[in-house]
Amino acid sequence: KNEVEQSPQNLTAQEGEFITINCSYSVGISALHWLQQHPGGGIVSLFMLSSGKKKHGRLIATINIQEKHSSLHITASHPRDSAVYICAVNSGAQKLVFGQGTRLTINP
Amino acid sequence: DGGITQSPKYLFRKEGQNVTLSCEQNLNHDAMYWYRQDPGQGLRLIYYSQIVNDFQKGDIAEGYSVSREKKESFPLTVTSAQKNPTAFYLCASSSQGRVNEQFFGPGTRLTVL
Repeated sequence: KNEVEQSPQNLTAQEGEFITINCSYSVGISALHWLQQHPGGGIVSLFMLSSGKKKHGRLIATINIQEKHSSLHITASHPRDSAVYICAVNSGAQKLVFGQGTRLTINP
Repeated sequence: DGGITQSPKYLFRKEGQNVTLSCEQNLNHDAMYWYRQDPGQGLRLIYYSQIVNDFQKGDIAEGYSVSREKKESFPLTVTSAQKNPTAFYLCASSSQGRVNEQFFGPGTRLTVL
């Protein structure tokens, strides 16, 4: 079993829908990341969380340390949100452990 | 502009040939990382370097080699010993000790024919 599991693996929705992507992890962590990978392959960091909730524009990330679970929400989704969203955790070692990614497609 | 460059974006090689992927950063970062990405799998760490002239194996180092002769550069060589080299390769960098603040390059897609 992977240390970081994301669900769903693929998600297709209509423009305007509320999107939720989930991430569960099995190790103790010092931080959790949500990353966005564009179709060309480049990766950008969206959020780094160690507790609670963060919001940036239409994106909201939450984490529940006790349940070892995090969610990424997108409100009023738009076709430009189509990308692969990746969850990664830092368990204290000098490396990140990545989930397999969730491919999101928003249709107009 | 500061950032990480990887070249080329697409690379094709014949089976049995070694190939070197370039990664350059001008962010003045001490630490650099190489990841491999396969469809349906998370990024996996190949090698990382926290300082010039030093590097450590990651989770899947077999069949790969690296060097870190300059702070700005961390080239990855995919050798003929790598059994399944076709993949997307990402380079990243961070300030020393700041593994949580990695900046990623645009990636190189390697296809071995």
